Amino acid sequence: RKEVEQDPGPFNVPEGATVAFNCTYSNSASQSFFWYRQDCRKEPKLLMSVYSSGNEDGRFTAQLNRASQYISLLIRDSKLSDSATYLCVVNTRGAQKLVFGQGTRLTINP
Amino acid sequence: GAVVSQHPSWVICKSGTSVKIECRSLDFQATTMFWYRQFPKQSLMLMATSNEGSKATYEQGVEKDKFLINHASLTLSTLTVTSAHPEDSSFYICSAREGEANYGYTFGSGTRLTVV
Repeated sequence: RKEVEQDPGPFNVPEGATVAFNCTYSNSASQSFFWYRQDCRKEPKLLMSVYSSGNEDGRFTAQLNRASQYISLLIRDSKLSDSATYLCVVNTRGAQKLVFGQGTRLTINP
Repeated sequence: GAVVSQHPSWVICKSGTSVKIECRSLDFQATTMFWYRQFPKQSLMLMATSNEGSKATYEQGVEKDKFLINHASLTLSTLTVTSAHPEDSSFYICSAREGEANYGYTFGSGTRLTVV
């Protein structure tokens, strides 16, 4: 079983729609959680950290459910520029490394 | 913000040759650097972790004699792919971290290696 699992998609949604991605992680010792965005042939860039209480940054909302080992990302009022691959990333307590999910590919259509 | 410069952006080399990729932290001291590899439509897979002045720690299945990592200073790490073969063609990305903070990871722009 992969340590971080995501639905690879692709998801194709119209501009202005609301879209949600989910991610599950297997290591209960995981401590830090992030969503990264990766454009084609580019490096990943931090979109937002995910906190236990849930957090929002503009049109983006992240949720964490430690009991279910589940992370979500919600994008409201999607823009064409939101088209990218969204990576769920986990860091384990005491470990230095980040563990990446496969990524969910999103395309926003005009 | 923190910037990591990675060079070259892309390289095409002949099978059997060696290729060196550089990763520099431009405005901070990177105590730890990470090297990842990403095949098409797959996730980033960590290859190795290096701390300045120490030997790199390689992930299971990564050949340390094939992928040589040097982290001689707090601002520079290099990855050398020795005797490259077509199956080594991939997108290689470095990441640097300043201190121990879990959120302080900065990625280089990646190197697309094609071995022909």
